[in-house]
Amino acid sequence: AQSVTQLDSQVPVFEEAPVELRCNYSSSVSVYLFWYVQYPNQGLQLLLKYLSGSTLVESINGFEAEFNKSQTSFHLRKPSVHISDTAEYFCAVSQFQGAQKLVFGQGTRLTINP
Amino acid sequence: EAQVTQNPRYLITVTGKKLTVTCSQNMNHEYMSWYRQDPGLGLRQIYYSMNVEVTDKGDVPEGYKVSRKEKRNFPLILESPSPNQTSLYFCASSYNTGELFFGEGSRLTVL
Repeated sequence: AQSVTQLDSQVPVFEEAPVELRCNYSSSVSVYLFWYVQYPNQGLQLLLKYLSGSTLVESINGFEAEFNKSQTSFHLRKPSVHISDTAEYFCAVSQFQGAQKLVFGQGTRLTINP
Repeated sequence: EAQVTQNPRYLITVTGKKLTVTCSQNMNHEYMSWYRQDPGLGLRQIYYSMNVEVTDKGDVPEGYKVSRKEKRNFPLILESPSPNQTSLYFCASSYNTGELFFGEGSRLTVL
């Protein structure tokens, strides 16, 4: 079985500062990794995913995540955050490329202060 | 517009009174799933369905039922709700690529 640990439940940062949201996973098999974002009072949306190939994946709004197999991590980073990035971020892992048995972490609430 | 629609969005009910939360998607997705979101626990999968008439338990199925008679609909049924089922519920669908499309959520309170 897979599990996901997001090491920070809340991360406050100032606008235009860099941010890193940490995610570690455990699995006895190869995995596929995802980051989802939940804006206030909305459902979750896929932010980015790692299925295979390059270990560095990017989103359209400036976030990136790097798959590190030796450290079993998939940390999310952004070099300069905006107020609009305020949201809760969920790391998720699956042993399948499909959506079944997708296991989510506990979430990290990112708060951007002006 | 491609979307997953859940109803009701908000519901307060009492212990033991059967209720159904409906979920409908207009993207012709084969895969659908229900999650509950609780503070500090993230999202936990209740049930999922790979296709019509094919359903399977997730991690927290106790106290819930589902059915998948049509591709677009995947209702969640609470036969006898209890206070520990007070939660925020999300329905999601997918082409089975790992990208889930979520509804806006249904906040349920069981008194």
